[in-house]
Amino acid sequence: DVKVTQSSRYLVKRTGEKVFLECVQDMDHENMFWYRQDPGLGLRLIYFSYDVKMKEKGDIPEGYSVSREKKERFSLILESASTNQTSMYLCASSSPALERQYFGPGTRLTVT
Amino acid sequence: AQKVTQAQTEISVVEKEDVTLDCVYETRDTTYYLFWYKQPPSGELVFLIRRNSFDEQNEISGRYSWNFQKSTSSFNFTITASQVVDSAVYFCAPSGGYQKVTFGIGTKLQVIP
Repeated sequence: DVKVTQSSRYLVKRTGEKVFLECVQDMDHENMFWYRQDPGLGLRLIYFSYDVKMKEKGDIPEGYSVSREKKERFSLILESASTNQTSMYLCASSSPALERQYFGPGTRLTVT
Repeated sequence: AQKVTQAQTEISVVEKEDVTLDCVYETRDTTYYLFWYKQPPSGELVFLIRRNSFDEQNEISGRYSWNFQKSTSSFNFTITASQVVDSAVYFCAPSGGYQKVTFGIGTKLQVIP
């Protein structure tokens, strides 16, 4: 059974902290994505990666960075967390053919 | 960058009614994919369909059908004889070329028994 896992389901951090959200997929997919989901705004693409060490900005990259050192792992980094980054974060992966995206269960991040 | 509009934010229907969810997209790419996903109250995203921009044939899968019209940049989704289990948020999502996928804000469908 294909799987995308995210390191935490719930996370609470303080303003100014550096935050790492980890995503791992076991399908040998080249493409990986980070989205955030907020009520009334749907899913918004933060970053995506189409290969190891390759990344492209999505629609809302400000305040975030990413790391892809290994094919199976894609990390989202909040360099200095702020309260407006409180959200649900969803990771996804897909093959280059993009038949579909496989989503992780999400991490609900609260920044206080 | 591509853009997608799901003008219906919330829809309520009575069970067994048909319902159509609208999706209009914008893209500069000449080749792309279009997706629909469903997010039930449990939260996981469920893949429903992928359509290639080259393929304008409509598709029917059980109670679900999709109407893709490239000339109007629309990819509408119809549920026939709706059921309570269809209650969810439905997302339309075009891809940029064949890689980057952008989601709409979603349409929340409530099916009332």
